[in-house]
Amino acid sequence: NAGVTQTPKFRVLKTGQSMTLLCAQDMNHEYMYWYRQDPGMGLRLIHYSVGEGTTAKGEVPDGYNVSRLKKQNFLLGLESAAPSQTSVYFCASSYGTSHGRDTQYFGPGTRLTVL
Amino acid sequence: GQQLNQSPQSMFIQEGEDVSMNCTSSSIFNTWLWYKQDPGEGPVLLIALYKAGELTSNGRLTAQFGITRKDSFLNISASIPSDVGIYFCAGHEALTPSGGYQKVTFGTGTKLQVIP
Repeated sequence: NAGVTQTPKFRVLKTGQSMTLLCAQDMNHEYMYWYRQDPGMGLRLIHYSVGEGTTAKGEVPDGYNVSRLKKQNFLLGLESAAPSQTSVYFCASSYGTSHGRDTQYFGPGTRLTVL
Repeated sequence: GQQLNQSPQSMFIQEGEDVSMNCTSSSIFNTWLWYKQDPGEGPVLLIALYKAGELTSNGRLTAQFGITRKDSFLNISASIPSDVGIYFCAGHEALTPSGGYQKVTFGTGTKLQVIP
């Protein structure tokens, strides 16, 4: 049981390049989330998904797209990277509120630098 | 977006001392969570609180859900070097009466350093 895994762990992009971050969970969780973490800002929600095939915008969605084609995977895409997207990105998953108490479990993070 | 007020922002303590940190919000939450993040890792859940007034312990850690539902505190007793890290509080709001997705707001973190 690996929990929540993220690939890659590190990435450096040039402005305008695109990339996809992959999140996978093996806990059969319904809900999945993408956050970014910046110094002094805590964790901010980018997008989330409450089930396979569904996605929704979070607090800071601009410049990002997501897809949830399979229940266990949640992809975060940057179509045209900008220096403001330099951050540490965390994926999380949870059972969802239909199971009662909902607690998020986090992956180890992806450190992205945009030059 | 809304942020929780978490204090202190950072603290240096001597090994063996007790530590206290807290979070306050202008919104009412129905769940409070406390996470710890080690360098280069993702946040790991320490304690979850689900009822106003609830006091829960996990080893040397104790957390309480404030009666007003707008605050929570975390205490660490007899600190040890491995307590070093960043501690985050998080609050869940129920967006609909029937539940569904619950918005989670994170505090800005308390950076704890323990001097051996």
